[in-house]
Amino acid sequence: GQQVMQIPQYQHVQEGEDFTTYCNSSTTLSNIQWYKQRPGGHPVFLIQLVKSGEVKKQKRLTFQFGEAKKNSSLHITATQTTDVGTYFCVKNDYKLSFGAGTTVTVRA
Amino acid sequence: KAGVTQTPRYLIKTRGQQVTLSCSPISGHRSVSWYQQTPGQGLQFLFEYFSETQRNKGNFPGRFSGRQFSNSRSEMNVSTLELGDSALYLCASSLYGGSKYEQYFGPGTRLTVT
Repeated sequence: GQQVMQIPQYQHVQEGEDFTTYCNSSTTLSNIQWYKQRPGGHPVFLIQLVKSGEVKKQKRLTFQFGEAKKNSSLHITATQTTDVGTYFCVKNDYKLSFGAGTTVTVRA
Repeated sequence: KAGVTQTPRYLIKTRGQQVTLSCSPISGHRSVSWYQQTPGQGLQFLFEYFSETQRNKGNFPGRFSGRQFSNSRSEMNVSTLELGDSALYLCASSLYGGSKYEQYFGPGTRLTVT
């Protein structure tokens, strides 16, 4: 079964608004990866977080790894229609264990 | 560099048949993993191959098998197909696999079992 839990499962966002999706694990993670899958597409690697408390930014996306390395978050500012898709947090220990994902839709 | 390629892209089979899917990783990548994606179960890991050896395996029945060739290309086989095997099968390649490296996914093979 899934080893990482993601909330919310669905996120409906007005264009221009911000939102955050959260990822939680019951065990300490060596690292966490984030992938994005557009509708009809395949998962695409976004970022990997390794260090406790690490924060990384990619333009309007901010990724954070918790101090205890048991949780992570993805914050998107000023949502655009190009942000539509499902965002997965992924535990990587030789195999990728995907969370259920947060599916984002954007209202123009 | 060319990305991960998978063939065929779409496949329709009937129950009881078997199917073979193919994956060509990014040049230089030695690890190939296979995943099954369904609306109900999400993305689930099938197995990983590295240097022609199965290095890790998910919780799928023995009907699901795979192999990797010396050029890192990989195939997966599903025997005695069941309706529940209908899914998107994704292949992902990685430089060495393991926890340090990101995986690059192919476009997938959409398998429909009737």
